[in-house]
Amino acid sequence: QLVESGGGVIQPGRFVRLSCAVSGFTFSDHTMYWVRQTPGKGLEWVAVISNDGSKKYYADSVKGRSVISRVNSKNTLYLQVNSLRTDDTATYFCARDPGRNFLTGSSHMDVWGEGTTVIISS
Amino acid sequence: DIQMTQSPSSLSAYAGDRVTITCRASQTISNNLNWYQQKIGKAPKVLIYTASNLQSGVPSRFSGSGSGTEFTLTISSLQPEDFATYYCQQSYSLPLTFGPGTKVEIK
Repeated sequence: QLVESGGGVIQPGRFVRLSCAVSGFTFSDHTMYWVRQTPGKGLEWVAVISNDGSKKYYADSVKGRSVISRVNSKNTLYLQVNSLRTDDTATYFCARDPGRNFLTGSSHMDVWGEGTTVIISS
Repeated sequence: DIQMTQSPSSLSAYAGDRVTITCRASQTISNNLNWYQQKIGKAPKVLIYTASNLQSGVPSRFSGSGSGTEFTLTISSLQPEDFATYYCQQSYSLPLTFGPGTKVEIK
């Protein structure tokens, strides 16, 4: 089970730190993703982190102002997005890959949280 | 970046109909293509991974095929609970990209 938290109404220019609490499986065995969805629109991959945290990649839309991290001992995934813009308004989902690494032959998102909504507004 | 397109953008069909959704990639992605179903207010759910592998627990009326740049998701006999939006997603290279979605409505 994945449970996101940390969303809310935030002013432009500030930051948000999202958390994803994991239970029911061995967190340290899995790559994890953040994916967001803007109101009424499609899905956008945001960031990915390998099982041990050694590899991290970001979408261009958040690169340079976001950090994905994980604490395996706490079974928790994080995403901090700084310098928030109105186009960061979205529901943010965390998702699991069945494998330790991404871009393997069978990479996909097999378990998802229900999402946490971030609204950027002054 | 690899661009994903889907057709149609929406469709309406009767329960029991066979439904096919097409996904195209802007460059070859081998078989690194996944399909997700999303119902209103819910998180996406994986149906098919690596083009043709049925995710555990997903009804066998769902199937996927294709490789290279063209892929299809088929629902062999549409059920009322299949009302949802369907997305394809490539896992061949970063950035990971999703198609724009196909909204399926039941007549």
